Amino acid sequence: DAGVIQSPRHEVTEMGQEVTLRCKPISGHNSLFWYRQTMMRGLELLIYFNNNVPIDDSGMPEDRFSAKMPNASFSTLKIQPSEPRDSAVYFCASSLRGGGSTGELFFGEGSRLTVL
Amino acid sequence: AQSVSQHNHHVILSEAASLELGCNYSYGGTVNLFWYVQYPGQHLQLLLKYFSGDPLVKGIKGFEAEFIKSKFSFNLRKPSVQWSDTAEYFCAVTSSGGSYIPTFGRGTSLIVHP
Repeated sequence: DAGVIQSPRHEVTEMGQEVTLRCKPISGHNSLFWYRQTMMRGLELLIYFNNNVPIDDSGMPEDRFSAKMPNASFSTLKIQPSEPRDSAVYFCASSLRGGGSTGELFFGEGSRLTVL
Repeated sequence: AQSVSQHNHHVILSEAASLELGCNYSYGGTVNLFWYVQYPGQHLQLLLKYFSGDPLVKGIKGFEAEFIKSKFSFNLRKPSVQWSDTAEYFCAVTSSGGSYIPTFGRGTSLIVHP
């Protein structure tokens, strides 16, 4: 079975440009998470979707960040405009929430973003 | 709110040394506990997990962890580390019947010298 698929794997852009990161969760999973990882702050939860609905977006840094999940098989994280301090690795993870579920997360390979 | 504390931020060992990484959580209810590993340049992947039953959990690659409820701890152990164990290790907790949003610790960087 395919795991969580993220694209692009690497993105280098200039400050002020729009960045869109994409994620395809594991088929059948109903929860999706976006994390950001930096050396300074470690692993931070940005937003959590359950059944395509954003449940907790308290980790989204500011209005420049937005995330959508139009259907069960696709999610995007958009940064507009991007800034150098947004440089990080962005991970998408999915899990199955429900009876018998244990909350184990399955992570994608990550999207390494560099904003110049 | 639940929280996870990993006391060791950086650990450096020689091959064949024994390993123990500390993890403490704060939550008063029933929890599920996880250790994830992130090898250099890769994504996080599950090392082992505890839900219920035997508090001593065995995972992949010779790792094990013991859940001690009275101490709110879930320490990771390996009797003899290898160079290939060099990685970042994350402890995480979810509350059973709760939000299912896992809370991660800051991670412990392990470097094993050959």
